[in-house]
Amino acid sequence: EVQLVESGGGLGQPGGSLRLSCTASGFTFSTSWMDWVRQAPGKGLEWVANIKEDGSRTYYVESVKGRFTISRDNARNSLYLQMNSLRAEDTAIYYCARDFAYAQYDYWGQGTLVTVSS
Amino acid sequence: QSALTQPRSVSGSPGQSVAISCTGTSSDVGAYNYVSWYQQYPGKAPKLIIYDVTKRPSGVPDRFSGSKSGNTASLTISGLQAEDEADYYCCSYGVKFGGGTKLTVL
Repeated sequence: EVQLVESGGGLGQPGGSLRLSCTASGFTFSTSWMDWVRQAPGKGLEWVANIKEDGSRTYYVESVKGRFTISRDNARNSLYLQMNSLRAEDTAIYYCARDFAYAQYDYWGQGTLVTVSS
Repeated sequence: QSALTQPRSVSGSPGQSVAISCTGTSSDVGAYNYVSWYQQYPGKAPKLIIYDVTKRPSGVPDRFSGSKSGNTASLTISGLQAEDEADYYCCSYGVKFGGGTKLTVL
């Protein structure tokens, strides 16, 4: 059974940091592009970042460039999102998802809620 | 990159067919056959229901179908059922997600 389990969400201070994790099982993580997708309360889906199978390439939506860093540890079947300089507009549910082909996502985690507020 | 354009809401009665459009540009929807559709219930993660414009993952009913013409992709749900009431998102390689469409089954 495929599982993606996110963790690390919670309350973050404006200007502060949080680190999200996503642990994968049931598929070959090391040969999969992986993405973070977020959804602000009551809003639509927004792609945030993705990372190549071996971690050699990463891409970000403009609004998080320079603040967020995506990384992975294939030995641990884990994906990460380091979120720095948090802003109120980063408040959202963050999903990790497997990109099986050209920004198409077949596996999704249950999401972890990040709330940025003082 | 602008989000793909979807109608905010559509509705239909049980048994009817509804179509949800997803309009992009010649740089995204029109350029690639990598359009996917996702169904999302409140409080749940999105679920892939169409990929590569027209293909259905295993387990997705054949009531769901996808198509594309020029810069506009469409999701058609035929034989509408109460359980189809959900939010639907399109996604295209190059520009990512549409704004989402709420489907109401009357």
